[in-house]
Amino acid sequence: KAGVTQTPRYLIKTRGQQVTLSCSPISGHRSVSWYQQTPGQGLQFLFEYFSETQRNKGNFPGRFSGRQFSNSRSEMNVSTLELGDSALYLCASSPGQGIATNEKLFFGSGTQLSVL
Amino acid sequence: QKEVEQDPGPLSVPEGAIVSLNCTYSNSAFQYFMWYRQYSRKGPELLMYTYSSGNKEDGRFTAQVDKSSKYISLFIRDSQPSDSATYLCAMSFMEYGNKLVFGAGTILRVKS
Repeated sequence: KAGVTQTPRYLIKTRGQQVTLSCSPISGHRSVSWYQQTPGQGLQFLFEYFSETQRNKGNFPGRFSGRQFSNSRSEMNVSTLELGDSALYLCASSPGQGIATNEKLFFGSGTQLSVL
Repeated sequence: QKEVEQDPGPLSVPEGAIVSLNCTYSNSAFQYFMWYRQYSRKGPELLMYTYSSGNKEDGRFTAQVDKSSKYISLFIRDSQPSDSATYLCAMSFMEYGNKLVFGAGTILRVKS
């Protein structure tokens, strides 16, 4: 079974631009979560999508948005990039019933975004 | 104050040593406790999942949760160079759903 696939692997953008990152979950998984990982703040939850609906949201500004398609693939978008947005963006998928049911989150290898 | 505190290390041990990794937390609502391992340039991989207080063992790994002290631990027995990685604790509770709150991660180096 293929794992969680994130594209692109690396991305370089300049301040003010926008960026779209893509995530393909494990086949059959309906939940996709996004996390930002930085050396200073560690891993922080951005949002979770389940069956094309945002189910949960972290404390990030509105410049960060996402969506999920009917095939469970997900994209996240960051508009008006700032230097502080440089980070590893990780996507995680799960069947969808939630951690409370002993469900595992499977992470992709991430997209390394550098904002210059 | 962060919800989850974890000593970032690095922690350097000789091969075969017992490793102890720890996290403390402030939110008493947390019910689900996890340990992830992350190798360089890879995503986190789930090692252990524990619900509420108690111990759980899986091979060389033992996870302990003490909710009364808001303290969780991961023990690695007979550590190997291949265990060298960053270890992240994570926790959640029912209302958070799949939102996990992570510790900063501890860098572990096992020397051969």
